[in-house]
Order: sequence, then C-alpha cells, then structure tokens
Amino acid sequence: AQRVTQPEKLLSVFKGAPVELKCNYSYSGSPELFWYVQYSRQRLQLLLRHISRESIKGFTADLNKGETSFHLKKPFAQEEDSAMYYCALLVGKLIFGQGTTLQVKP
Amino acid sequence: GAGVSQSPSNKVTEKGKDVELRCDPISGHTALYWYRQRLGQGLEFLIYFQGNSAPDKSGLPSDRFSAERTGESVSTLTIQRTQQEDSAVYLCASSSRLADLTDTQYFGPGTRLTVL
Repeated sequence: AQRVTQPEKLLSVFKGAPVELKCNYSYSGSPELFWYVQYSRQRLQLLLRHISRESIKGFTADLNKGETSFHLKKPFAQEEDSAMYYCALLVGKLIFGQGTTLQVKP
Repeated sequence: GAGVSQSPSNKVTEKGKDVELRCDPISGHTALYWYRQRLGQGLEFLIYFQGNSAPDKSGLPSDRFSAERTGESVSTLTIQRTQQEDSAVYLCASSSRLADLTDTQYFGPGTRLTVL
C-alpha cells in the first residue's frame, strides 16, 4: 500500500539549532516526493521536491531509497520556520503524511 | 497571476442539509484535486480530475460525496445529507501536467465546513 509516515506530530527546537523532520514512505515504484509547508493563516504551499535537488529557505531533503526516507533538514532553524510541514508522495494524486508542527523558540 | 480560489471560505450548516463547495483553478491547469483536512488529522485525498479522463474518485468517503468539473475550469464538490464528521477544511489544488513535469500542485485557501 502507498503510505507516507511522519512520526513526529510536534518538533520543538531553539533558534539556531539543527532541524530534521522525518518522513518515510511506502511505495513499490520510483517515488516522486515533496515537502509542503503551511505557515500560520496562509495556504498550503510547495517547499521543495526531490526531483529538483534544490535548497529552499535553507531546507534540503535527500531521497534515500534504501531506507525509504525523505527527511527534511535545516542546519540552523529560524523563528520564521515555525509552521506545519507535510511530506507527500505523488501517485497521480498526493498522499500526505500526518504533518509535523515545527516550533522554533527564540 | 491569480491563484486557486475557493468559495465560500466558511460554511456552517445543519446536519442533514446539502452543501456545495466551489473551486476555481489556475487558468490553463488541466488537473484539479480535492482534499479534506479534519481537525488534528493529515490531508486526505478525495477526488482528482485530469483533462477529459474519467475522474479518480477513489478517495470519496461515501456516496454522499460527489464532484463535477466542467472542462478545465470550475469544480464543485457536493456533500449531501451532511453529518458532523464531515466537518473539516476542504482544500482544492490544481496543476498543469503539460508544463510542469513534476506536477507541482497549487492549493487554494480552503473552505472550512462546520456541520452542527
């Protein structure tokens, strides 16, 4: 079955600390994976996609097929990174994880 | 340009009534998606339209839910005989599979449905 798992509901860190939001997927084919972010009172928006191998707002995510993971990382968290983060797998439609709330404390 | 828009932004209804939610996708986007986000839960796929193909309805939770799309424009999601468990934020997204091979989906602001 196709599934995306984000094990942490809430991740709380201090400003300047490293951040890693975990995402694991279950899919038999070649996965196409995304991270979406929803800031307070804003609409859900794309943060990054694995196929682009890009860094957005200091965030990166590497696809690890052996571990079936696509963890989102940032070396130094900022207060403005506080938001809800969703990992998603594209199989025609998007299959989302449950989301992780990132709280960056001053 | 204009993004995905949805109306109404908020809808309060009584149990048993029918509701219609509207989505205006980005002009030229061939694909349109509906998702649901219940309180404390992740986003749940409902239905997907792609061009003239038959829609993927595999996510609709019951036959009380239906959706239509006219061509490559507006879509309406209808919920008949609403129940309290239908209370959620309903999100619409669109994408252009022709222009963007990675199929980035652009989301609307959502409609918050409350069933009393």
